[in-house]
Amino acid sequence: AQKITQTQPGMFVQEKEAVTLDCTYDTSDPSYGLFWYKQPSSGEMIFLIYQGSYDQQNATEGRYSLNFQKARKSANLVISASQLGDSAMYFCAMREQNFGNEKLTFGTGTRLTIIP
Amino acid sequence: DAGITQSPRHKVTETGTPVTLRCHQTENHRYMYWYRQDPGHGLRLIHYSYGVKDTDKGEVSDGYSVSRSKTEDFLLTLESATSSQTSVYFCAAGAYVGGTEAFFGQGTRLTVV
Repeated sequence: AQKITQTQPGMFVQEKEAVTLDCTYDTSDPSYGLFWYKQPSSGEMIFLIYQGSYDQQNATEGRYSLNFQKARKSANLVISASQLGDSAMYFCAMREQNFGNEKLTFGTGTRLTIIP
Repeated sequence: DAGITQSPRHKVTETGTPVTLRCHQTENHRYMYWYRQDPGHGLRLIHYSYGVKDTDKGEVSDGYSVSRSKTEDFLLTLESATSSQTSVYFCAAGAYVGGTEAFFGQGTRLTVV
């Protein structure tokens, strides 16, 4: 079974609109963390935001927020007021414990294109 | 990149030859990871390390081995490269259990001909 599922292979959004990128996860570990990364066409991986499983509030970082719904096992990324520079691949990832070690697993990604 | 360097950045090699990719970090991160990135598959975990000489397999470990003899270096070896191992390889590192960020290297583009 997929640990991290991103069901939107691609999205097109008008500039200045808000964007929601979907991510669902599957784990039996009670202590886990969820990440979002951005990968622009240049190829580097850029960390955006993190949410811990015990965090009471949804994480926010500037225009990025993480809509964490624990019961639904979803961790959607919301980008407010999208900009042309937001066009990139976006990856959701989960850190979970594995016999005392930590494993970091990624989804297949969503390619976001912002239309002027 | 938080002090994570991958080498080489690009490599073309022939089928059947051994290849070693190096990941070097300067931040004393405990956890290190190797991923491969292929279109439609995202980043898939090859191997990871939770300390010197402590490594474990990821979801696509067949054909790959790793070694970590020092905290700062994590080596990925393709014992006998195949065309299916043509990919972009990323190294990542994290500081401690529960860390809130994993830092990435710049990636290595490997082509097996």
